[in-house]
Parts: sequence; structure tokens; C-alpha cells
Amino acid sequence: DTGVSQDPRHKITKRGQNVTFRCDPISEHNRLYWYRQTLGQGPEFLTYFQNEAQLEKSRLLSDRFSAERPKGSFSTLEIQRTEQGDSAMYLCASRAGTGGSLETQYFGPGTRLLVL
Amino acid sequence: GESVGLHLPTLSVQEGDNSIINCAYSNSASDYFIWYKQESGKGPQFIIDIRSNMDKRQGQRVTVLLNKTVKHLSLQIAATQPGDSAVYFCAETRDTGRRALTFGSGTRLQVQP
Repeated sequence: DTGVSQDPRHKITKRGQNVTFRCDPISEHNRLYWYRQTLGQGPEFLTYFQNEAQLEKSRLLSDRFSAERPKGSFSTLEIQRTEQGDSAMYLCASRAGTGGSLETQYFGPGTRLLVL
Repeated sequence: GESVGLHLPTLSVQEGDNSIINCAYSNSASDYFIWYKQESGKGPQFIIDIRSNMDKRQGQRVTVLLNKTVKHLSLQIAATQPGDSAVYFCAETRDTGRRALTFGSGTRLQVQP
């Protein structure tokens, strides 16, 4: 257990429905990342927060995706009008800061999404 | 749980042997590299990291080697155990500020008892 938690662990939804995932990072970590992983591939970067500010979004993050980190602690990732291609594992990671071991990203267990 | 990496390259070793997993990274500007272990149904687990100003770093039973000339990274696991069976990913990053990771394609390690 890395200390990063994600909820739910599994989500099955029908195409067109909205889903929301939550990530609780390690408590002293002010940097938070979302990644997406499909079967047979490594995780791909989606978006990055420093405290409550969303500083970078990947081109993978279409307009149907939105992420927030309102108080600089937990984060949510929402997918609107889900499509079958959204089926993947959604991973959250956090790190403490800049320099040395502070830069190591620790991952949560992921949320497995299946869109029917 | 579901499998991670259904069509990944596979390295099969005998318990007690040493394992070497290789990775070619893509960006010559990358300055920080990490190896992660991922078991089925779980998130990636940090193993060891190395910065570009080093060419070798050792941990407990693991060693990472970095060859910047050919953009190659390797992970050596000594006395491989059944619990080491997993998919291993290398990841690279640059840009001290954001540090978004770019992952390699992964290698499945199977340890035969």
C-alpha cells in the first residue's frame, strides 16, 4: 500500500453515462497526476495538479474529461458521455515536491472502468 | 484480477537466478528514470530510480544501469523470487516542474519455482 487511495476500484457503466472517480494522495504530497492505462500498455499521462492548480493537460484529455482538485488534497476525474474507448484503468499518482526522493511518484491501485 | 500486459515481451527465469530487464527510452533530454513493478490488478509500485548524472544505482537486490549514449536502461534483479513475477515498466521524465512520466512498453517477468 503506497498511501494513495482510489475509489471506486471497479466501475461498469453503459455508454453515454457519466462517471466520476476519486483519488486521495499521500497527505503531504502537493503534486497529483492522473494517468490512463489500457491492456498491454504502460500508463499514459492525462493531467497534473500542483496544489489546487491544474497545470497541464494531455491531448488525450478530451472535452468529455474534467479533473478537479478543489482544496489541494483529493482529486476527482469525471468522464461525461462515456464511450467504449474510455474503458481502461485510471491511475492516480502523487509526489511530494522537487529534488531528490521528493520527485518519486507513488501510484494508487487504480480504478478499472468498463463501458458497455 | 485482470491481467496487465497481455501481449508484452516475457522473460522467464528460474527461481534463484538473476534477471535482467531492458528498456530503450525515447527522449535524450530525459534526466530522471524510474523502474516500476506492476502486479495484476494493482497500480505500479516504485522499485528504484536513477538520475542522468549517474550510470549505476543499487538497491536491495536490484540494480539499475543507465547508458545515455544509446538511451538504454536496464534493471537487474538478483536471486529472483516467485514474488518478483510481475510486469516491469521503465519510465522517463524531464522538466523539473511537472515531471509527467513517459512509460515504456513493459516486460513480463515469470519466475519458475
